[in-house]
Amino acid sequence: DGGITQSPKYLFRKEGQNVTLSCEQNLNHDAMYWYRQDPGQGLRLIYYSQIVNDFQKGDIAEGYSVSREKKESFPLTVTSAQKNPTAFYLCASNRGLSDTQYFGPGTRLTVL
Amino acid sequence: GQQLNQSPQSMFIQEGEDVSMNCTSSSIFNTWLWYKQDPGEGPVLLIALYKAGELTSNGRLTAQFGITRKDSFLNISASIPSDVGIYFCAGQRNSGGSNYKLTFGKGTLLTVNP
Repeated sequence: DGGITQSPKYLFRKEGQNVTLSCEQNLNHDAMYWYRQDPGQGLRLIYYSQIVNDFQKGDIAEGYSVSREKKESFPLTVTSAQKNPTAFYLCASNRGLSDTQYFGPGTRLTVL
Repeated sequence: GQQLNQSPQSMFIQEGEDVSMNCTSSSIFNTWLWYKQDPGEGPVLLIALYKAGELTSNGRLTAQFGITRKDSFLNISASIPSDVGIYFCAGQRNSGGSNYKLTFGKGTLLTVNP
């Protein structure tokens, strides 16, 4: 089945540690995105990538980093510089920037 | 970043009732999208609207793209318990460059009492 997978579903880390969230898609989509969701809030864009080896900052990129070495994969690293990292993180992809975005199941990160 | 004004924030209804929610913006969008999110899951696309005035249905769901291109509504008819969840609207501008981004509303939490 084609789709977007995110792992793990739940992640716990100690304050001060970097953590990497996985996002994989087998939809042959060129563009991929990372969003952050906080309770009672809409989704906010962290980073996006139009094509392999290229990515751009979204609205709240500070404290995060990404890479896009393969078309299928767009991992997000939450660094110790992110002041409030506990949140629900969603990955999305689409064929191109103007096409409908489809979302993965999300990873809930809790920093203790 | 900008957010859409989505209302109501929450709704408590009885099974079988119809539901209506809407989103408004001060800016024009080329595309309006409606997503549903179950607890702990990613949003799932319900309806996509691409043309001002467009009225589109998906089963018991009906959505419209406002004539002014600054608003959209979603109706759910004859609600059932599995309609429970958070409904998000999202607007997109497709004018190239960096104007591709989705702008999301804060969501409408729907509770359906059996």
